[in-house]
Amino acid sequence: RKEVEQDPGPFNVPEGATVAFNCTYSNSASQSFFWYRQDCRKEPKLLMSVYSSGNEDGRFTAQLNRASQYISLLIRDSKLSDSATYLCVANPSGAGSYQLTFGKGTKLSVIP
Amino acid sequence: ETGVTQSPTHLIKTRGQQVTLRCSSQSGHNTVSWYQQALGQGPQFIFQYYREEENGRGNFPPRFSGLQFPNYSSELNVNALELDDSALYLCASSAREGTDTQYFGPGTRLTVL
Repeated sequence: RKEVEQDPGPFNVPEGATVAFNCTYSNSASQSFFWYRQDCRKEPKLLMSVYSSGNEDGRFTAQLNRASQYISLLIRDSKLSDSATYLCVANPSGAGSYQLTFGKGTKLSVIP
Repeated sequence: ETGVTQSPTHLIKTRGQQVTLRCSSQSGHNTVSWYQQALGQGPQFIFQYYREEENGRGNFPPRFSGLQFPNYSSELNVNALELDDSALYLCASSAREGTDTQYFGPGTRLTVL
């Protein structure tokens, strides 16, 4: 089983839609989580950190369920500029060195 | 922009050759991590350097090695290149104390022929 698993996608949604990405992690010792977005052939850029049950930043809401080892990202009112690959990331605290473990990513295309 | 820089941007090598990739961390950051991202995959952790010492290593063979310098910049060296080493190599810097948030540089795209 992969350490971080994401919806395979791709997700093709119209502008203005709400879209949700799901992610599960296998290492129960993981303490912190992140969502990064990655544009084609570019580096990952931090979208949100998720340290407790979740947090919200404008149109983006991340939720964490430690009991189910599940993280989600909700994007409301999708914009064309939201088109990217979204990477779910866990930091297994047991590693003691902040080694980020990435999922394969889910590709989102927002269509006019 | 994150302030993390990498060089070169692109590189083409042949099997068996050696390559050195470079990374300058964001000002104030003393920890550098290296990741390999193959096409269609998420980044995979190679190793991390903190205060000039290796501080954690992923599942990569010893022909992947690195250095960190007193100014916190870093190098990734790969010996005996294989075709499967073709990937985007990403450097990420972080402030070791109090946070594990990592900021990525633009990457070096390595092609091994």
